[in-house]
Amino acid sequence: DVVLTQTPVSLLISLGGQASISCRSSQSLVHSNGNTYLHWYLQKPGQSPQLLIYQVSNRFSGIPDRFSGSGSGTDFTLKISRVEPEDLGVYYCLQRTHNPFTFGSGTKLEIK
Amino acid sequence: EVKLVESGGGLVQPGRSLKLSCAASGFNFNDYWMGWVRQAPGKGLEWIGEINKDSSTINYTPSLKDKFTISRDNAQNTLYLQMSKLGSEDTAIYYCARWGYWGQGTLVTVSS
Repeated sequence: DVVLTQTPVSLLISLGGQASISCRSSQSLVHSNGNTYLHWYLQKPGQSPQLLIYQVSNRFSGIPDRFSGSGSGTDFTLKISRVEPEDLGVYYCLQRTHNPFTFGSGTKLEIK
Repeated sequence: EVKLVESGGGLVQPGRSLKLSCAASGFNFNDYWMGWVRQAPGKGLEWIGEINKDSSTINYTPSLKDKFTISRDNAQNTLYLQMSKLGSEDTAIYYCARWGYWGQGTLVTVSS
């Protein structure tokens, strides 16, 4: 199975600051069709996960441009700029290139 | 509005079976692959599996393949998860998911 390693485990960011989360894969996430199925989710406290970014860098409907994704191959990054109180929660990366699909272990974002 | 509503969770004894349902609305259910994800208390996310539009393809995480069965009824806009030989390790919130959307989850507790 593909292993996704997320770092850091937790982040303490000031309001208005910037957060960066890394997701590294044990193998390339480029699908045979050329697409890269690496997505980012946020799970706010007491809620189900919500999709933020799909296929590395595409923001899902309604997601503000403070959230951005980048990367290729095995290394991916989620950046959150101008951090707001509602951004707190646990961020997960998910790969859907290889079966079985797998999640990273999560990064907890806390606000100072 | 896309809605996914899971049901069927609860307390079940070890070794018993349980069937979860997910009622979908607000979109054409027949057009989407559907999946199940679970989350043990205080832990990360685990992909269980997914089923294609006409049930001809079902993918599972290998470690769960022998005890979980995913099915769907397109006429009823409903997704199912049949779970057997349940153990304490299966205690979790079970989420139904389609592209971009998740339900609120249903809690399954396996205990005597």
